[in-house]
Amino acid sequence: DAGITQSPRYKITETGRQVTLMCHQTWSHSYMFWYRQDLGHGLRLIYYSAAADITDKGEVPDGYVVSRSKTENFPLTLESATRSQTSVYFCASRRGGPQETQYFGPGTRLLVL
Amino acid sequence: AQSVTQLGSHVSVSEGALVLLRCNYSSSVPPYLFWYVQYPNQGLQLLLKYTSAATLVKGINGFEAEFKKSETSFHLTKPSAHMSDAAEYFCAVRSNDYKLSFGAGTTVTVRA
Repeated sequence: DAGITQSPRYKITETGRQVTLMCHQTWSHSYMFWYRQDLGHGLRLIYYSAAADITDKGEVPDGYVVSRSKTENFPLTLESATRSQTSVYFCASRRGGPQETQYFGPGTRLLVL
Repeated sequence: AQSVTQLGSHVSVSEGALVLLRCNYSSSVPPYLFWYVQYPNQGLQLLLKYTSAATLVKGINGFEAEFKKSETSFHLTKPSAHMSDAAEYFCAVRSNDYKLSFGAGTTVTVRA
């Protein structure tokens, strides 16, 4: 099915552990984004990517690492999880042109104990 | 830098009443503005967007928004609320490199 998917949908981990959140889109969109959603803050951009092998920091990048070896995948890694990284994480991809929009995945709920 | 402010974190309306969600933006360039809706445990879905073509923008589900440059506003309205409109709504502004900056969100409750 066409679309944008995220895995896992739910994750519980412990402080200090490494966690990787996966994002996959089937449209071959060039731009992809990672956001975190926290109460009272809306969504904040963590990292984004303009194309394969091109990534850049967003508003809140500390403690996160991204890679993009293939256009369709954009994994987000928490190198050493902290409680402050407990959040809901959304991946998005951008369709350009007159119908421009960002399509969002269903989200990953992460709890860091 | 671009930013948006949503006035009111919670709005409660009666079924059939007007829905009005407020959004003010700050942008150093002509803005691209968006309204997204988020239903419980789901991702965000685009309601409508302003890209300078027309100041009154119609979106899905009967929503519309009016861009007012003089007031730096992009308020979202729906004439008659339905129970299915209960959700969280986000206003966002896009930068030149396609990044979105979101407001804190407004939760809409619809009373029967």
